[in-house]
Amino acid sequence: NAGVTQTPKFQVLKTGQSMTLQCAQDMNHEYMSWYRQDPGMGLRLIHYSVGAGITDQGEVPNGYNVSRSTTEDFPLRLLSAAPSQTSVYFCASSPSMGPNQPQHFGDGTRLSIL
Amino acid sequence: ILNVEQSPQSLHVQEGDSTNFTCSFPSSNFYALHWYRWETAKSPEALFVMTLNGDEKKKGRISATLNTKEGYSYLYIKGSQPEDSATYLCAWPLFGNEKLTFGTGTRLTIIP
Repeated sequence: NAGVTQTPKFQVLKTGQSMTLQCAQDMNHEYMSWYRQDPGMGLRLIHYSVGAGITDQGEVPNGYNVSRSTTEDFPLRLLSAAPSQTSVYFCASSPSMGPNQPQHFGDGTRLSIL
Repeated sequence: ILNVEQSPQSLHVQEGDSTNFTCSFPSSNFYALHWYRWETAKSPEALFVMTLNGDEKKKGRISATLNTKEGYSYLYIKGSQPEDSATYLCAWPLFGNEKLTFGTGTRLTIIP
């Protein structure tokens, strides 16, 4: 019963490097999203997707790209990492659209940018 | 209030005591209110989704109430146990859809 799987769990990057955070879910959920968690702040939405081929920006999208080529996968790309992107990143999914759908979270990726 | 606000920020409770904390949200255009439990080194886990004014939901020793007219929800924990130590998040669909806006959480520590 995998649920939402994020890889890697930890990563250290140098400023300017690029990388992709992977997120996969095996529950056939339509909605997927990426959040970042910073000290003293709530989870902030980076990007989200309401289905394969459809993505949109959240609250803090700058510096990040996403794609959704399949229902299962929703990778988050940092094209040129900056120290301000040091954070814990969570991927989440929910079965369908609507305000009353609980979200299922992955275990997070702790990212440090030096 | 333009967003969700949680209080207190942190709370220490003796094992066996009961406790509660608050999530405040805009009272106009209510859609739903979510509660999540987030244990250290784990992922947030959905507890409740509240949708109707006067709703009360329960899961074991944890329950939640909702007042949409005044814009608040309470989370109650009865007879706190060490495993209840976690950060409790509430979230609100700002635009009435699946995009959630999260509060900063109440960090609960149960003292054995």
